[in-house]
Amino acid sequence: KQEVTQIPAALSVPEGENLVLNCSFTDSAIYNLQWFRQDPGKGLTSLLLIQSSQREQTSGRLNASLDKSSGRSTLYIAASQPGDSATYLCAAHTGGFKTIFGAGTRLFVKA
Amino acid sequence: DAGVIQSPRHEVTEMGQEVTLRCKPISGHNSLFWYRQTMMRGLELLIYFNNNVPIDDSGMPEDRFSAKMPNASFSTLKIQPSEPRDSAVYFCASRRTGDYNQPQHFGDGTRLSIL
Repeated sequence: KQEVTQIPAALSVPEGENLVLNCSFTDSAIYNLQWFRQDPGKGLTSLLLIQSSQREQTSGRLNASLDKSSGRSTLYIAASQPGDSATYLCAAHTGGFKTIFGAGTRLFVKA
Repeated sequence: DAGVIQSPRHEVTEMGQEVTLRCKPISGHNSLFWYRQTMMRGLELLIYFNNNVPIDDSGMPEDRFSAKMPNASFSTLKIQPSEPRDSAVYFCASRRTGDYNQPQHFGDGTRLSIL
């Protein structure tokens, strides 16, 4: 059974700092690994999707990496801004329609 | 692209009442998902439809929960009778069918409170 864990549960950083969010999964047989952002009272917004054959994906200040063999993914945020404050969730798509979500990392970027 | 549309955004009702949540997926997306999010259990998949057909409802917690998708542009999640432990945020998501490497698109959710 796939389990997805995110560390840390919460993170507070000053504006401008580079940061890394961690995601681990127990079953390496995944189709893809997806990172989402959730703002308070809102749904999830897809940030990056890394296919199982890929090692990383980049979008602007965001870079996500995937290491299937170790069951890990990281989301790197460069030059953080207060607008980056949100909860970030990773999700492992394990085949068929099953997507298993982590509990999320709540990020606060101080101005 | 209008995105996934859910209604109502908020619902407060008394225990025992029937609750109906609605979802309009993105046009052209033939896969539809209903999720429930709580602090204790995080985000859980309740049911998944493909081309309007329920594929797996193993995540539906009890017989009190039912979901339908009468056509490609509309789905409902019904709880009857509702209980306080059903209080949560319910999300609908859709995805283009046939490609698992397409992201799911989420609606803004329905925040349900059962008193």
